[in-house]
Amino acid sequence: DQQVKQNSPSLSVQEGRISILNCDYTNSMFDYFLWYKKYPAEGPTFLISISSIKDKNEDGRFTVFLNKSAKHLSLHIVPSQPGDSAVYFCAARDSNTGNQFYFGTGTSLTVIP
Amino acid sequence: NAGVTQTPKFQVLKTGQSMTLQCAQDMNHNSMYWYRQDPGMGLRLIYYSASEGTTDKGEVPNGYNVSRLNKREFSLRLESAAPSQTSVYFCASSKGLYNEQFFGPGTRLTVL
Repeated sequence: DQQVKQNSPSLSVQEGRISILNCDYTNSMFDYFLWYKKYPAEGPTFLISISSIKDKNEDGRFTVFLNKSAKHLSLHIVPSQPGDSAVYFCAARDSNTGNQFYFGTGTSLTVIP
Repeated sequence: NAGVTQTPKFQVLKTGQSMTLQCAQDMNHNSMYWYRQDPGMGLRLIYYSASEGTTDKGEVPNGYNVSRLNKREFSLRLESAAPSQTSVYFCASSKGLYNEQFFGPGTRLTVL
């Protein structure tokens, strides 16, 4: 049973516009959330994280928002650039075990020049 | 600074054959992990090692064994490969269990 869901397999956005990637989760014990970016034939690379005690974290063009009541987080990329074209995975840690991250299935972002 | 390295990059096995996937990190990280990625499934944790000398099962451990050889190296062994183990395998490491993970480039394994 998928505890972390990314319901949009793909997303296309014009260069310069905002990209919004969404992630939903079911486990209320998740306390730490991360976004990873993955290019073809490479491993995922860490992008940004947020603790459950916050509702927003910003790093340059990337902002992650967390809505705990809705069990939803989103990644905003502004402005989007062609180099942002990649697969984005959200991941969540279970504070019960503290030692396992659960990953979503990924959203493939294409930024059109 | 190579980060996390994995060997081999590609491998084709016949059902029943065995093999070991190698992983090494040069970041002095304490924790290491093995994941598999299948289409439509995201990354799933197979085994992890919180620190040198310890290993624990993750979400999908059946059919695999691991060895934390030293602080740098963490290997994954398939004793008797099955077609269901066809996947892309990623090794990762982190400073500790509560830190973000750094991934290797992956091993694409096909079991015929």
